[in-house]
Amino acid sequence: GDSVTQMEGPVTLSEEAFLTINCTYTATGYPSLFWYVQYPGEGLQLLLKATKADDKGSNKGFEATYRKETTSFHLEKGSVQVSDSAVYFCALTPFGNEKLTFGTGTRLTIIP
Amino acid sequence: EAGVAQSPRYKIIEKRQSVAFWCNPISGHATLYWYQQILGQGPKLLIQFQNNGVVDDSQLPKDRFSAERLKGVDSTLKIQPAKLEDSAVYLCASSFDMYNSPLHFGNGTRLTVT
Repeated sequence: GDSVTQMEGPVTLSEEAFLTINCTYTATGYPSLFWYVQYPGEGLQLLLKATKADDKGSNKGFEATYRKETTSFHLEKGSVQVSDSAVYFCALTPFGNEKLTFGTGTRLTIIP
Repeated sequence: EAGVAQSPRYKIIEKRQSVAFWCNPISGHATLYWYQQILGQGPKLLIQFQNNGVVDDSQLPKDRFSAERLKGVDSTLKIQPAKLEDSAVYLCASSFDMYNSPLHFGNGTRLTVT
């Protein structure tokens, strides 16, 4: 079945550091790929998405590129802020279906 | 726009007791989902409704879990009887439709079974 493997945490970085959180997937066909974020005390929020190969999703300074050849969707940000501290989930849906399969999540802490 | 509402926010029960969670989706959203998020894991889909019909309940432990969405709006998820391993956050989400519509999540109900 479909699955998502993401970088284990927790990850701790200093403010303004470069961030990469790795995500790889296994799926049949052509899934859509997502990054969700969960800030402390809040619900899951969609951060960005990409629906086909080579698409780049971006939001709030975060980016991820759908790489079909490496089945990856790594999350990057050039300069993190304390407010980026949260748990980040990589997820996928099969083509034409919104049933999300999530990775285990990566807890990110940014220290001033 | 009002978000997905869930209640209660927290619940503590003893094993073998029953519990129910309530979800009110965003107005006009036809699709509703219940996810279970065990500590340290990603959310896992339990059941998906389209209006008041079940689309997918393949991962719902039907011997103890039940869910309904009688009028195609609010939904209730019930566990009876609860086990220790049911301790988790139960997330409700809704989307406008089943295809290419973003999911909106509620804040979840944290269940602790002792």
